[in-house]
Amino acid sequence: KNQVEQSPQSLIILEGKNCTLQCNYTVSPFSNLRWYKQDTGRGPVSLTIMTFSENTKSNGRYTATLDADTKQSSLHITASQLSDSASYICVVRTQTGANNLFFGTGTRLTVIP
Amino acid sequence: NAGVTQTPKFQVLKTGQSMTLQCAQDMNHNSMYWYRQDPGMGLRLIYYSASEGTTDKGEVPNGYNVSRLNKREFSLRLESAAPSQTSVYFCASSNVRDRRTKNEQFFGPGTRLTVL
Repeated sequence: KNQVEQSPQSLIILEGKNCTLQCNYTVSPFSNLRWYKQDTGRGPVSLTIMTFSENTKSNGRYTATLDADTKQSSLHITASQLSDSASYICVVRTQTGANNLFFGTGTRLTVIP
Repeated sequence: NAGVTQTPKFQVLKTGQSMTLQCAQDMNHNSMYWYRQDPGMGLRLIYYSASEGTTDKGEVPNGYNVSRLNKREFSLRLESAAPSQTSVYFCASSNVRDRRTKNEQFFGPGTRLTVL
């Protein structure tokens, strides 16, 4: 069964600290993995995308990693800011099928001053 | 560019009432989608339209209908609302053929619907 699981469900960190969010998936055949950021009351916005051959992708203070062998991805946030408070959603796309996106339930990150 | 716009932002309905959620995109995308987002669950696909003139069911289509009015607009209709349809609804669009965006879905701001 194609599934995407994220951990932790929620996380509270102090401003300026680093954190890492996890995504494990059983989706097959794999096409790509995307991390989205969703601010409260807004729609998700793409942060990074990785294909099978990519194991690291950065976007400013956000760095995503992918291990296609173990089917794990992480999103590392460096020097967190208050504006990083949001939900982070891991989305995996399969190579086949018209309905081929699988969404994680997200990690709710709160950055406190 | 406004991107993806949705109306209304908020709506309260009584059980049995009907309504249509509107969505429009100005990015010339071929594909459009409707999702619902509920607490503790990932986004779930209701319906999608791969191109103008076509629509297909997603994971949770029961109780909904859609219309791809033209390339820009994709509406979602609830004929007889039920409390189980209380949710936040997101419209999204993408261009499958755009290698640069790699079929990224661009989401609207959402419609928060409450059915009493």
